[in-house]
Amino acid sequence: SAVISQKPSRDICQRGTSLTIQCQVDSQVTMMFWYRQQPGQSLTLIATANQGSEATYESGFVIDKFPISRPNLTFSTLTVSNMSPEDSSIYLCSVDGTTGGETQYFGPGTRLLVL
Amino acid sequence: GESVGLHLPTLSVQEGDNSIINCAYSNSASDYFIWYKQESGKGPQFIIDIRSNMDKRQGQRVTVLLNKTVKHLSLQIAATQPGDSAVYFCAENVNSGGSNYKLTFGKGTLLTVNP
Repeated sequence: SAVISQKPSRDICQRGTSLTIQCQVDSQVTMMFWYRQQPGQSLTLIATANQGSEATYESGFVIDKFPISRPNLTFSTLTVSNMSPEDSSIYLCSVDGTTGGETQYFGPGTRLLVL
Repeated sequence: GESVGLHLPTLSVQEGDNSIINCAYSNSASDYFIWYKQESGKGPQFIIDIRSNMDKRQGQRVTVLLNKTVKHLSLQIAATQPGDSAVYFCAENVNSGGSNYKLTFGKGTLLTVNP
């Protein structure tokens, strides 16, 4: 499976500011996904990011709050905008298998605390 | 450390015993299922998967059982070790055609292995 890295690994931010999280993969992948995992909770899909097209957002998530870039087949960013304490979560990126298909492999996550 | 386990169902077993983690899924159209293991401070790690045309699949020390009649999935871990302590998530995929894959995650179960 692909090796996935995320930056930053964790951060503490002030409310009203924005944070951009990077996801880098060591091989080209078709699909990249962004998830949120609130404390003690399961994973919730924010959006799917494909190169060359706008991200597809899930119900409850909007582009103004979570803008996403996907400039090439190995990289994506998620921005958490105008943050509030409710945005404190783990943000995870995942990718489909290098041969495509439904299996997803996850990065280590970015732990965000908003004060 | 992480507070991932505070709101999750828990399973406590003795080292060397077998563990069974259960998951109920809701969508009868789901055709692919994955079990993930998430250790504290890390992203979810792929364990094993199964397609809907199968009812059992075995890996190294792990077995996944699928009962489509009652929409139930289970993960069996043989000879559980302290390193198996983690939160375990099931995930289901509904293939809506083309390459539009999307995973929906269950609530998760915290497995604690006592020495």
